[in-house]
Amino acid sequence: GDSVTQMEGPVTLSEEAFLTINCTYTATGYPSLFWYVQYPGEGLQLLLKATKADDKGSNKGFEATYRKETTSFHLEKGSVQVSDSAVYFCALTTYSGAGSYQLTFGKGTKLSVIP
Amino acid sequence: GAGVSQSPSNKVTEKGKDVELRCDPISGHTALYWYRQSLGQGLEFLIYFQGNSAPDKSGLPSDRFSAERTGGSVSTLTIQRTQQEDSAVYLCASSLVRASGRDTQYFGPGTRLTVL
Repeated sequence: GDSVTQMEGPVTLSEEAFLTINCTYTATGYPSLFWYVQYPGEGLQLLLKATKADDKGSNKGFEATYRKETTSFHLEKGSVQVSDSAVYFCALTTYSGAGSYQLTFGKGTKLSVIP
Repeated sequence: GAGVSQSPSNKVTEKGKDVELRCDPISGHTALYWYRQSLGQGLEFLIYFQGNSAPDKSGLPSDRFSAERTGGSVSTLTIQRTQQEDSAVYLCASSLVRASGRDTQYFGPGTRLTVL
């Protein structure tokens, strides 16, 4: 079945460092791709998404580009802040054939940013 | 407007008891999903509702798990005869109109279930 693989954490960076979290996927169809973020004590929030090849999703300084040729959707940010400390999940939508587009998630990458 | 809400936020129960978890989706969202987040398995899909019907129950782990949705709004996930392996955070998500691979699913804060 469809699957998502993302780099294992935890990742610890100093404030203003560059961030990359790698994400690759396997899908039988043509998925939409998402990054969700879970801040401490909070629920999952959509960070950004891309629905077709070469689309770039961006939000709050984060970016990710849908690369169909490499089946990747790596998350990047040029300068992280302490407030970016959270768990980041890469995900894709999978059509089940029963009308549902459930999300298939990677295992999550915990990011800690230190001042 | 209000986001997805779930209750209770925490539930501790004894093995063998039944539990009910509630989800209130965003008003007007007709697609509703349940997921489970556990340390060992990560985030897993459980069941999908479109309106009041559940065309995709493929993620329910056993027949002890069931769910219903009434009035195209509130959904209840029921776990019968709970086991320790049911301990997890149960997440509900809703999306607008009907399911689409491009639609954003909005998540509630989750219910943390602990089975002793």
